[in-house]
Amino acid sequence: QKEVEQDPGPLSVPEGAIVSLNCTYSNSAFQYFMWYRQYSRKGPELLMYTYSSGNKEDGRFTAQVDKSSKYISLFIRDSQPSDSATYLCAMREGTQGGSEKLVFGKGTKLTVNP
Amino acid sequence: EPEVTQTPSHQVTQMGQEVILRCVPISNHLYFYWYRQILGQKVEFLVSFYNNEISEKSEIFDDQFSVERPDGSNFTLKIRSTKLEDSAMYFCASKRLTNTGELFFGEGSRLTVL
Repeated sequence: QKEVEQDPGPLSVPEGAIVSLNCTYSNSAFQYFMWYRQYSRKGPELLMYTYSSGNKEDGRFTAQVDKSSKYISLFIRDSQPSDSATYLCAMREGTQGGSEKLVFGKGTKLTVNP
Repeated sequence: EPEVTQTPSHQVTQMGQEVILRCVPISNHLYFYWYRQILGQKVEFLVSFYNNEISEKSEIFDDQFSVERPDGSNFTLKIRSTKLEDSAMYFCASKRLTNTGELFFGEGSRLTVL
């Protein structure tokens, strides 16, 4: 089983739709969970960061972490054409002797059509 | 807004040559990283660096690679004797604290080995 799995899509939605992106993982030591947005041939841009389980909201974005199911989600409300990008989930272990490295999903390519 | 800056944005080199990729992390950050992304593949961890020494490295980061922080601002990745399979986007990243997942990436340096 891969350490982090993410459906690569592509995902195409109309403007204004609610978008749901998700990742599953196998390493129960993961404690920090991130969502990055990446435009073509650019660096990953940090969107949301969550520690441990729970929800976090920032504007139109909501991140959810369910550690019992090893499942994380990113919801985008009122999606806009400017949200068109590849969305990467990433996670890392805790700081008490855990690995520093971020482990990324493969990314989901999202297109929001006007 | 402070950002991680990388140079060059694109470098083309012949197989067997040495390349140096340069990064200026965000100024009050203490932890520095290199990641790479081969076209169409996941972003993958190479090395982390703190307090002037490598704190963790992946199996990819063999003797061909080295990192250095030659002064108070630059962080470099040297690749000796480049191979065709070293062609990728190389991303520098930094963060301020260890107990956070908030890792900020630069725009990347695209390396093409011919």
